[in-house]
Amino acid sequence: HELTQPRSVSVSPGQTARITCSGKTLASQFSYWYQQKSGQAPVLVIYKDKERPSGIPERFSASSSGTTVTLTISGVQVGDEADYYCQSSDTLGIWTLGGGTKLTVL
Amino acid sequence: QVRLVESGGGVVQPGTSLRLSCAASGFTFGDYGMHWVRQPPGKGLDWVGIIHYGGKNMYYADSVKGRFTISRDNSKNILYLHMNSLRVDDTALYYCARVGYGQDGGDHWGQGTLVTVSS
Repeated sequence: HELTQPRSVSVSPGQTARITCSGKTLASQFSYWYQQKSGQAPVLVIYKDKERPSGIPERFSASSSGTTVTLTISGVQVGDEADYYCQSSDTLGIWTLGGGTKLTVL
Repeated sequence: QVRLVESGGGVVQPGTSLRLSCAASGFTFGDYGMHWVRQPPGKGLDWVGIIHYGGKNMYYADSVKGRFTISRDNSKNILYLHMNSLRVDDTALYYCARVGYGQDGGDHWGQGTLVTVSS
C-alpha cells in the first residue's frame, strides 16, 4: 500500500481516537476516509480532506499536514468500533487505499 | 434513495470467467463514475478499477489489468465487471461504489457479491 496506516488503535469510550494515514500522494491529492463495521459495506465519513457527508456526526473530523492526514473521532462510542480506511485519488480517478486501521473501543 | 445491488458472484475454478453486475437505482446513473473494489476474506479493501460516467475511460489496478474489464449500460443502469483467467487470489467480496458528486470518494456502496475461485 502506498498509504500507510497503523494496524490498530485502541481507546476507551469518551476518549479521542486519532488515526493517521501517510503517503507522498497526500501532499497533492485530497484524502477520504471510510468506516467499515463488521459484516457491512464501507461508509464514507470524510471527503476532500475534511468535509463530512450529511448524516455523519460532528464527532468525526480530519486534518491534513503535508504527507499525513489524521482522522479524529471525539467522544468515541462503542458503536464507532470498526475498520477505518484512508483513500486518495489521482486526476484519472484511480484510487489508492490504505491498509486499514482497526479501532477497538475498550 | 441511492441503491446499488451487486450480483453474479459464485464459486468458480481457476482459469475460468465470470461476469458481475451492479444494478443502480435512485439517481441518474449516466452522470456518475463508478468503481469496483474488492475485499479478500479477512483482509483490507483493494481497488479494482473505475469507469467514467460516459463509459469511454476505464482504468485498472495492475493486479487485474488485461484480465478484468469494466463496462456499463447507461440505458439499463447497470455496471459490469467481466473477469477472465480467474486466479485463487481473486477470491473476494466485490463491491461497486459510486463516485461522489464534486469529489473523488465513493459516496454510496453496494453490499457486495462474493467470488470464490477454487479448484
